[in-house]
Amino acid sequence: GAVVSQHPSRVICKSGTSVKIECRSLDFQATTMFWYRQFPKQSLMLMATSNEGSKATYEQGVEKDKFLINHASLTLSTLTVTSAHPEDSSFYICSARRAGGPYEQYFGPGTRLTVT
Amino acid sequence: GDSVTQMEGPVTLSEEAFLTINCTYTATGYPSLFWYVQYPGEGLQLLLKATKADDKGSNKGFEATYRKETTSFHLEKGSVQVSDSAVYFCALGGADGLTFGKGTHLIIQP
Repeated sequence: GAVVSQHPSRVICKSGTSVKIECRSLDFQATTMFWYRQFPKQSLMLMATSNEGSKATYEQGVEKDKFLINHASLTLSTLTVTSAHPEDSSFYICSARRAGGPYEQYFGPGTRLTVT
Repeated sequence: GDSVTQMEGPVTLSEEAFLTINCTYTATGYPSLFWYVQYPGEGLQLLLKATKADDKGSNKGFEATYRKETTSFHLEKGSVQVSDSAVYFCALGGADGLTFGKGTHLIIQP
């Protein structure tokens, strides 16, 4: 149990366009989902925390109008990178925490975004 | 605030060698502690966890003990394999989420 999927696994888009990344908890309900960004050979940087049915909480320095997060159900959260630029190219990883469970997070396989 | 410090790699070992990756933390309260592993191009997988002092987490031959007195959660394995080559992240967790160390790149040579 505790499987998290992400779609797409890889995406290439042109500068100025928007890209949506989906994160799903497949076999459990997740009241809280997290979005991370990871640069090559570095640790994960938390971008935002989203709770089902409420607005996401963004970390300092993360533009909420650029990285739109929606957590409409207990099994789905989406991250939309709006007006993407080459500097947004990165590996984006989501995670989910069980409703009422302990603090461990279950991670998706990640999405490699390349903006040309 | 909370923080996690772990040895930075790369750490290179021969197959069947003994592995220790050090991890220490600072935190308020009583966090849970985790080790995650990341294989190339993939997300993170939970390797093991401990939720209170003196707990020992174990999985796939890896072990770590929650030492409150030394604020440590060192990862150990008695005999590593080439397939253990990956990046290992120590993390502490509470209600607000996880705080990660910078990761340790482990390379096992045959």
